Amino acid sequence: KQEVTQIPAALSVPEGENLVLNCSFTDSAIYNLQWFRQDPGKGLTSLLLIQSSQREQTSGRLNASLDKSSGRSTLYIAASQPGDSATYLCAVRPAGDDKIIFGKGTRLHILP
Amino acid sequence: DTGVSQDPRHKITKRGQNVTFRCDPISEHNRLYWYRQTLGQGPEFLTYFQNEAQLEKSRLLSDRFSAERPKGSFSTLEIQRTEQGDSAMYLCASSSGLFEQYFGPGTRLTVT
Repeated sequence: KQEVTQIPAALSVPEGENLVLNCSFTDSAIYNLQWFRQDPGKGLTSLLLIQSSQREQTSGRLNASLDKSSGRSTLYIAASQPGDSATYLCAVRPAGDDKIIFGKGTRLHILP
Repeated sequence: DTGVSQDPRHKITKRGQNVTFRCDPISEHNRLYWYRQTLGQGPEFLTYFQNEAQLEKSRLLSDRFSAERPKGSFSTLEIQRTEQGDSAMYLCASSSGLFEQYFGPGTRLTVT
């Protein structure tokens, strides 16, 4: 059974710092991995999607990497801003499956 | 197209009442998913449709829950005889085939 773990559960950093959020999954047989952002009480916004054959994806100040063999992904946020404060969720789509499995998320707080 | 929409955004109901939620996917997306998210947790898969066919249901979906997608467009999720444990955010997502899932803003249910 695929399980997704995100560490840390919460993180506070001063504005301007670069930071890394971690995601691990137990079964390397995945179709893709997706990072989402969720603001309090809101829905999910897709940030980056990495196919199983890819190693990384970039969008603006965000970079996500994927090491499928070790079951790990990282989300790198450069030059953090207070507007980046949110919960970041990692989700994997297991190979041969249509649903996605989520981690519990990392609550990020950027201090002005 | 304005993305996935859900209605209502918030619902407060008394224990034992029935509730129904609606999801309108991105037009021409053939797959529609329902997830449930409780406080501090990641979303958990409930069920999904390919066109009008309901292809998978989670064991989380008790007999009190029913979902439909009658014409392969919008979907409804009904909860009968609500219980306090049903209080959660109900999220809908749509995709075209096995590509990226796009989420709606969610319906927050509070059962008193």
